[in-house]
Amino acid sequence: GQSLEQPSEVTAVEGAIVQINCTYQTSGFYGLSWYQQHDGGAPTFLSYNGLDGLEETGRFSSFLSRSDSYGYLLLQELQMKDSASYFCAVRVVFLYNQGGKLIFGQGTELSVKP
Amino acid sequence: GAVVSQHPSRVICKSGTSVKIECRSLDFQATTMFWYRQFPKQSLMLMATSNEGSKATYEQGVEKDKFLINHASLTLSTLTVTSAHPEDSSFYICSANTGGYGYTFGSGTRLTVV
Repeated sequence: GQSLEQPSEVTAVEGAIVQINCTYQTSGFYGLSWYQQHDGGAPTFLSYNGLDGLEETGRFSSFLSRSDSYGYLLLQELQMKDSASYFCAVRVVFLYNQGGKLIFGQGTELSVKP
Repeated sequence: GAVVSQHPSRVICKSGTSVKIECRSLDFQATTMFWYRQFPKQSLMLMATSNEGSKATYEQGVEKDKFLINHASLTLSTLTVTSAHPEDSSFYICSANTGGYGYTFGSGTRLTVV
């Protein structure tokens, strides 16, 4: 089976930097994605790591270490609008030429305070 | 970009009735669609993978006869919650792989069973 662990909640202030960690155990691992979800909305894609290392997209960066089964999402220059739930998701592929499926972690609720 | 249109956005039904949720890929062909369920403040739990022209693949613990999935064309997948009960009240959301690590999500359906 698959399991992912991430903190349930994180609080930070505007302008700060926050890191959300994710550890996973899975077979068929093909990459780690991060999604943001506001209350009642659909998840929106933030970042993806298929290989080890850091990926940077604007204020968001994501890191992956496949040997440690570990990744993190780094949010910089926090804004009030960043208050949301953040999910790590492993992309699991079992058959060649299949897109694979996403298995989500439990989610981290980020609260950004003034 | 790739868009998945999901309807209805909200539905209230009486206990014992069935509800159908539709997901359409608007500008691409989705041979595979994923169906998730999300309870408040919880993760997106993968229920099943629907494959165009063949039977859906259900995750462990998901009742096939209760959650009927049909993927009759390359642009349409439906989830029918049969004999709905209050415990089936949840947020249901579909997703399609758009190539590689890209996944696009529908806007979700809030189901309330009274």
